[in-house]
Amino acid sequence: ILNVEQSPQSLHVQEGDSTNFTCSFPSSNFYALHWYRWETAKSPEALFVMTLNGDEKKKGRISATLNTKEGYSYLYIKGSQPEDSATYLCAFNLPGGFKTIFGAGTRLFVKA
Amino acid sequence: GAGVSQSPSNKVTEKGKDVELRCDPISGHTALYWYRQSLGQGLEFLIYFQGNSAPDKSGLPSDRFSAERTGGSVSTLTIQRTQQEDSAVYLCASSLTSHGSEQFFGPGTRLTVL
Repeated sequence: ILNVEQSPQSLHVQEGDSTNFTCSFPSSNFYALHWYRWETAKSPEALFVMTLNGDEKKKGRISATLNTKEGYSYLYIKGSQPEDSATYLCAFNLPGGFKTIFGAGTRLFVKA
Repeated sequence: GAGVSQSPSNKVTEKGKDVELRCDPISGHTALYWYRQSLGQGLEFLIYFQGNSAPDKSGLPSDRFSAERTGGSVSTLTIQRTQQEDSAVYLCASSLTSHGSEQFFGPGTRLTVL
């Protein structure tokens, strides 16, 4: 059974705090790992797609790392802002197939 | 340019009725995905299309669910004899290619089965 686990389930931080979330996925038969941000009343928005072990991607204050050998990815947010409040989803692709398996997400609340 | 659009945005139906949900992907995107999010649950993969072909239908919850895509563009997800457990938000996404490309999501259709 393919499972993508995300932790924590939810997180409350103060504005200015830096934070990080974890995504765990099956390390065998890995093809790609996605991070999405899903704000309330909006559609999920792609943040990063990573395929290579050791990949690090950055977009503004948000960055992500990938370890395919041990099957985990971290998403970091530096200096959280209220507008970062959203659910952050991690998703996993197998090679040879396009089925995308999503984790349950980490719900981030940033208080001003 | 235009993003992924879905219609209707909301659908309320009675148990036992058939419903049809529509997705218009971004022009030129070859891959199209259907997901659903039931209350309190994560995104559940239903089916994907590469062009008009759906190689993997294993995510469809039951034989009451079917989907098709024509002309490599618009897709419809049909649910026959709807049940209350079908109530969910149905999301469509498209991507330029299929293998590992970022997916662009539509606004979703909220289906309520009474």
